Amino acid sequence: DQQVKQNSPSLSVQEGRISILNCDYTNSMFDYFLWYKKYPAEGPTFLISISSIKDKNEDGRFTVFLNKSAKHLSLHIVPSQPGDSAVYFCAARHSGNTGKLIFGQGTTLQVKP
Amino acid sequence: EADIYQTPRYLVIGTGKKITLECSQTMGHDKMYWYQQDPGMELHLIHYSYGVNSTEKGDLSSESTVSRIRTEHFPLTLESARPSHTSQYLCASSDGPRQYGYTFGSGTRLTVV
Repeated sequence: DQQVKQNSPSLSVQEGRISILNCDYTNSMFDYFLWYKKYPAEGPTFLISISSIKDKNEDGRFTVFLNKSAKHLSLHIVPSQPGDSAVYFCAARHSGNTGKLIFGQGTTLQVKP
Repeated sequence: EADIYQTPRYLVIGTGKKITLECSQTMGHDKMYWYQQDPGMELHLIHYSYGVNSTEKGDLSSESTVSRIRTEHFPLTLESARPSHTSQYLCASSDGPRQYGYTFGSGTRLTVV
C-alpha cells in the first residue's frame, strides 16, 4: 500500500505562470514533508519542507501548503522558469528516530519558454 | 560541491558478473541509505544503516547486500547481476536537522545485459 502518492505523472506550464504539484499521504505518523527536485542522471536535491504542525512554508519562489485534514500537500512555484523543468518528488518523514523517508512516484514538470 | 559521492556514475555489465557500487560521504553522518529508482516510479528503500556494523533491509526486497565497516563508506554489492537489476541506484545520508531530510549522491545508472 503506497503511503505517499503523486497522482499526476506530468505537468506542463508556460514560463512565468504558476506550477502546482500535488501530493497525498495516508499515514498520520509523518512529522515532516519534503519536496525534492531531480534532473535525469542526477540524485534528488532538497527543495523545501514543512513540519506537520505548520500549514505553509515559503522560500523564494517556492511555497508548500499542508492540509492535514485532507492529508494533502502541494508545492507552488511562482513564477515558473524553464530551469524548473525536472522531476519533483514528494517525501514524508516517519516521526521518531528511524526518520525514514517515503517517496511518491514523482511528477515531471515541463516549463515552456 | 558534493558531500556524498557515488561511483561509477554509469555501468554496463554482463549477466552473472559481481559488482560493487561505491558510496562515500564526508559529513560524518551515521545514517546512510540505498534507494532504487526506475523512471516514473517512486524511490524504493533497499538497504539502510544507522551506524558502523549496523545494516538493515529496506522496504523493497533486493538481492543486493551492503556493509558498513566505516562511517563514511556504504558499498552495495550484487553477487550475480541480472537484467532485472537494471535501474538507478541512489545513495543518501542524513543526520542533520529533520527538515532537510537526506543528502543524495548523483546515483549509479546500472545496465545489465
